Amino acid sequence: DQQVKQNSPSLSVQEGRISILNCDYTNSMFDYFLWYKKYPAEGPTFLISISSIKDKNEDGRFTVFLNKSAKHLSLHIVPSQPGDSAVYFCAASESGAGSYQLTFGKGTKLSVIP
Amino acid sequence: NAGVTQTPKFQVLKTGQSMTLQCAQDMNHEYMSWYRQDPGMGLRLIHYSVGAGITDQGEVPNGYNVSRSTTEDFPLRLLSAAPSQTSVYFCASSYDGTAKGYGYTFGSGTRLTVV
Repeated sequence: DQQVKQNSPSLSVQEGRISILNCDYTNSMFDYFLWYKKYPAEGPTFLISISSIKDKNEDGRFTVFLNKSAKHLSLHIVPSQPGDSAVYFCAASESGAGSYQLTFGKGTKLSVIP
Repeated sequence: NAGVTQTPKFQVLKTGQSMTLQCAQDMNHEYMSWYRQDPGMGLRLIHYSVGAGITDQGEVPNGYNVSRSTTEDFPLRLLSAAPSQTSVYFCASSYDGTAKGYGYTFGSGTRLTVV
């Protein structure tokens, strides 16, 4: 059973517009969420994170929103740039005994069209 | 600063062969882990270690062994390779393993094909 779901395998966006990547989770014990970006033939790189005590976190062009009641988070990229074209993974962790594991979604491939 | 270094980058094995995937980090991180990435499956945790001498299983540990004799190194051993182990393997590390703050630092991966 998938605990972290990214239901859109791919997304195409025009350069300069907003990219919105979505992620849903089922495990109510998750209390920390991360987004990773991955280019081909490279390892994932950390992008931005959010704790469950917050509903928004910003870092430059990247903003993550968390809706705990809906068990949903989203990553907004504004404005989108061609260099943002990559696979984006949503990941989640929980405190306590499970805190040493990250559970990943399947990823969404973002293509930013110049 | 090298970060997390994985070797080799590519490997082809025959069914039944054994091999060790190497992972080294120079950030003095206590936590290290191995993930595999398969098409359409995301990243799944194989084994992890919270410090030298301490290892534990993740989601998909069968067919793999690990040990952690030093803080820097965390090798992953395939005892008898099977085609189902064809995958891209990523090693990751973090200061304390909680992923809070800056998440995990990943290596660039080892692409393994078992024929």
